[in-house]
Amino acid sequence: AQSVTQLGSHVSVSEGALVLLRCNYSSSVPPYLFWYVQYPNQGLQLLLKYTTGATLVKGINGFEAEFKKSETSFHLTKPSAHMSDAAEYFCAVSLWAGNQFYFGTGTSLTVIP
Amino acid sequence: DGGITQSPKYLFRKEGQNVTLSCEQNLNHDAMYWYRQDPGQGLRLIYYSQIVNDFQKGDIAEGYSVSREKKESFPLTVTSAQKNPTAFYLCASSIGDRAGYTFGSGTRLTVV
Repeated sequence: AQSVTQLGSHVSVSEGALVLLRCNYSSSVPPYLFWYVQYPNQGLQLLLKYTTGATLVKGINGFEAEFKKSETSFHLTKPSAHMSDAAEYFCAVSLWAGNQFYFGTGTSLTVIP
Repeated sequence: DGGITQSPKYLFRKEGQNVTLSCEQNLNHDAMYWYRQDPGQGLRLIYYSQIVNDFQKGDIAEGYSVSREKKESFPLTVTSAQKNPTAFYLCASSIGDRAGYTFGSGTRLTVV
């Protein structure tokens, strides 16, 4: 069975501070991993993804994530938070052989001025 | 520009009525999906379709129905059998599992 766990449903950081959003997955086969961002009353927008190759992937808006197979993790980071980063963030996993995604329950990021 | 269009953005329904949410894409994607989003519960899969004229139930299909008569369209009907339909509904499409999903902007359904 596949699952995605996002630790911390709410995270608060000060403007300019490091952003770290945690995602762990369980999968019986090598997964594809994704991070999405959602602003209020909008759809989800792809931030970045890992499929194969380099385990450190860079995305939009200065975000990056590192795939660590040994830790089954795909944590999202950004060196310096901006007010516009306040949103809901979802981690997702899909299997190479299938086309269905499994989403985490989301982490709401608050940026404090 | 290519994308997914969901309409309407806000929808109000009286109890006991069926209502249909529209989802149209011009991305030439084969696969389309419907998710329901409730606060604190993330996204839950209602139905998905990987090809025209075929669709599969997701985790919470009860009280919902879909059709896939055209590649571009995947409408979702919320029936009166759905006991708690008030939620934010998201439609998505995909060209393959490596590409990720493209999402519509969602429809917020409220039962009054």
